[in-house]
Amino acid sequence: GAVVSQHPSRVICKSGTSVKIECRSLDFQATTMFWYRQFPKQSLMLMATSNEGSKATYEQGVEKDKFLINHASLTLSTLTVTSAHPEDSSFYICSARVAGSEKLFFGSGTQLSVL
Amino acid sequence: SQELEQSPQSLIVQEGKNLTINCTSSKTLYGLYWYKQKYGEGLIFLMMLQKGGEEKSHEKITAKLDEKKQQSSLHITASQPSHAGIYLCGADPSGGSNYKLTFGKGTLLTVNP
Repeated sequence: GAVVSQHPSRVICKSGTSVKIECRSLDFQATTMFWYRQFPKQSLMLMATSNEGSKATYEQGVEKDKFLINHASLTLSTLTVTSAHPEDSSFYICSARVAGSEKLFFGSGTQLSVL
Repeated sequence: SQELEQSPQSLIVQEGKNLTINCTSSKTLYGLYWYKQKYGEGLIFLMMLQKGGEEKSHEKITAKLDEKKQQSSLHITASQPSHAGIYLCGADPSGGSNYKLTFGKGTLLTVNP
């Protein structure tokens, strides 16, 4: 199946710093990618939709200035957690849809720990 | 908003046993996705169902969507330790047009050798 690569898999940072997470579609082009967040033992919550060449759309309650999304190419979307705080510690995971298909593939996720 | 309820929340079975996980929606399901997740890892796509009464199988896993399209079940035959993980059902509340998925809380499956 299609492969979505996410990097880094784990990151530990100090409070106040910014962290960038990359999501790449390796063998297909993705005009739309999605960013989710998952807290321990809870389900995934959609944060935003990343659109290639245009602004991301954010779900209600998600701060767009806090979670910057850039989708500069058909194979790469990035999520930057700005001025990270301990409450931002979470598992972040992206997904992408294969054009012309109903299938949605997910990356391997990024565990963010803010000290 | 569409809510997905999964049952059971957790399940422990002996290797070789069959099992079923259910996913019930508060609204009509226009696209129902099943994924498997190892804790702290990514999601592995299993199957996607769209039509009422649809059934799909992959290896020893079978997923069904009922005729009313409000409930789906995932059945594993002759379970193996490799089947252990968290099974998530997800659906697109928009009716399948924007692929923004809402997920259930997951079912944690443990398979004892």
